[in-house]
Amino acid sequence: GQNIDQPTEMTATEGAIVQINCTYQTSGFNGLFWYQQHAGEAPTFLSYNVLDGLEEKGRFSSFLSRSKGYSYLHLKELQMKDSASYLCAVMDSNYQLIWGAGTKLIIKP
Amino acid sequence: GAVVSQHPSWVICKSGTSVKIECRSLDFQATTMFWYRQFPKQSLMLMATSNEGSKATYEQGVEKDKFLINHASLTLSTLTVTSAHPEDSSFYICSARSDSGRFSYEQYFGPGTRLTVT
Repeated sequence: GQNIDQPTEMTATEGAIVQINCTYQTSGFNGLFWYQQHAGEAPTFLSYNVLDGLEEKGRFSSFLSRSKGYSYLHLKELQMKDSASYLCAVMDSNYQLIWGAGTKLIIKP
Repeated sequence: GAVVSQHPSWVICKSGTSVKIECRSLDFQATTMFWYRQFPKQSLMLMATSNEGSKATYEQGVEKDKFLINHASLTLSTLTVTSAHPEDSSFYICSARSDSGRFSYEQYFGPGTRLTVT
């Protein structure tokens, strides 16, 4: 079966860094997405990795290792507004998104 | 990036009535549209996938006669919740994808519709 695993909840301090891991097992791979979702809102796109390596975008960066079925989302200089759920999703061989359950990130002052 | 709108953003209806939710891609042609449902503190659950001009493909456990999906054009899909019950109260989110061109394969999400059935 297809499976995406990510931690349920993480806590970090304002100004610090945090890394959210995601492991996956899917039928085929056409890229991995990270989305941010604030409570009561739709997900917003953060990053897309299809090749191994690191993609950096401001305070956020995402890493992919296809051989290990592993990705992480790295957030630095955390701000209170970063408190949200972070969803990992893999696009399978049919170009369908397989979603993880999301990681709720709590930022403390 | 591409923009997807949803209407209404929230709706309250009485049990037994039907509710229609519209999803529009504003600046690109959506070959495929997806409908998701999300209950509080849970992840997105894919309900169905629709391609323009063809019948929607429903996920296991989703009643196709209760959740009617119409993808009449490359910019509009509708989800109709028929004979709504309180347990249908949820956050419904659509997303749209173009299978070619600049926006190919990335899903763009609408802002969601919060449905409350009383």
